[in-house]
Amino acid sequence: QVHLVESGGGLVKPGGSLRLSCAGSGFIFGDYYMSWIRQAPGKGLEWVSYVGRNVDTVYYADSVKGRFTSARDNAKNSIYLQMNSLSAGDTAVYYCARDTTGGGRFDSWGQGTLVTVSS
Amino acid sequence: SYVLTQSPSVSVAPGQTARMTCGGDNIGSKSVHWYQQRPGQAPVVVVSGDGDRPSGVPERFSGSNSGNTATLTVKRVEAGDEADYFCQVWDGSSVHPVVFGGGTKLTVL
Repeated sequence: QVHLVESGGGLVKPGGSLRLSCAGSGFIFGDYYMSWIRQAPGKGLEWVSYVGRNVDTVYYADSVKGRFTSARDNAKNSIYLQMNSLSAGDTAVYYCARDTTGGGRFDSWGQGTLVTVSS
Repeated sequence: SYVLTQSPSVSVAPGQTARMTCGGDNIGSKSVHWYQQRPGQAPVVVVSGDGDRPSGVPERFSGSNSGNTATLTVKRVEAGDEADYFCQVWDGSSVHPVVFGGGTKLTVL
């Protein structure tokens, strides 16, 4: 059974940093592209970052480029999102999602981890 | 970058048909994926690509896509279908390849 678990969320002050993790199980992690997708309270889904199977390809939304960095460790079945220079606009539930096709069909999602940026 | 436009809300009575649209420039040339998100839960794909339904998704859910509009149709709507629905495409020509619509809230009257 495919399972994705995010961790690392919490309360952080503006300008601070946080590192999210997403651990996968029940599938061959290195065979799949992965993405980070976030959802601000009461808002829609916003794609954040896309990570190729061997971190050969990484894309970022304009809203986070230069502040967020995605990483991947297939040996640990995990991806990571290093978030720096956080602001209130980054407050959201952050999901990791598995892309079955490399073309953006997300068939499995984690339960999400809440990041709150507030003083 | 590519933009997807969804109506904010759709309301239907139980047993009726709900149609939710997703507009985008020449969206008919792209694979469109639809996600259902119930309150407090992660999204779940209900229809993807050329109308494929993952196992477990009722046949009442179907998708179509042509021209500048993709449509998610839910027949014989049930109370349990009340949720937010998001469309999403892959824009392979962009460095921002994953695009979501703003979402439609389906209310079952």
